[in-house]
Amino acid sequence: DGGITQSPKYLFRKEGQNVTLSCEQNLNHDAMYWYRQDPGQGLRLIYYSQIVNDFQKGDIAEGYSVSREKKESFPLTVTSAQKNPTAFYLCASSALGNINTEAFFGQGTRLTVV
Amino acid sequence: RKEVEQDPGPFNVPEGATVAFNCTYSNSASQSFFWYRQDCRKEPKLLMSVYSSGNEDGRFTAQLNRASQYISLLIRDSKLSDSATYLCVVYTGTASKLTFGTGTRLQVTL
Repeated sequence: DGGITQSPKYLFRKEGQNVTLSCEQNLNHDAMYWYRQDPGQGLRLIYYSQIVNDFQKGDIAEGYSVSREKKESFPLTVTSAQKNPTAFYLCASSALGNINTEAFFGQGTRLTVV
Repeated sequence: RKEVEQDPGPFNVPEGATVAFNCTYSNSASQSFFWYRQDCRKEPKLLMSVYSSGNEDGRFTAQLNRASQYISLLIRDSKLSDSATYLCVVYTGTASKLTFGTGTRLQVTL
């Protein structure tokens, strides 16, 4: 089945640690996105990528890093520089170049600092 | 000004009511528009696409007003199961980017 997969579903981080969230898609989508959602809040864009080996900062990129070495993979690293990382992280992908560009989401990763 | 703006709500309506949400966007070059539904602690799922003058799917109607740069979502005969957050999404081809609004929360009550 085609889709987008995030792992892990739940993640606990100690203060000062870097952690990496996985996002894989087999939809052959060019664009991939990472969003952060806090309780009762909307989605805020962290990073996005339109092509392999290229990505752009979103609205809240500080304390995060990404890579796009393969079209199907877009991992997000939450670094120790991110002072308040506890949140729900959503990865999405979409096609580009035409108007049929709806986004498909993974099931999300809940990150908690302990 | 934010690229995509929505009233966060919450909108509290009785079952059977009609409710409408608006979403404004700032980039006049935006090409495609979508409404997503998000249930608590879940990922967003596509509700409707809005490409030109709007479309209808059962109790749900989406409209696009390019001149005023907004889209709307109308829900008729609200059900308890419609309680969720509704996200407006805009695709801008020149930037090859999807931008989400922060969502409007709807609570349908008995």
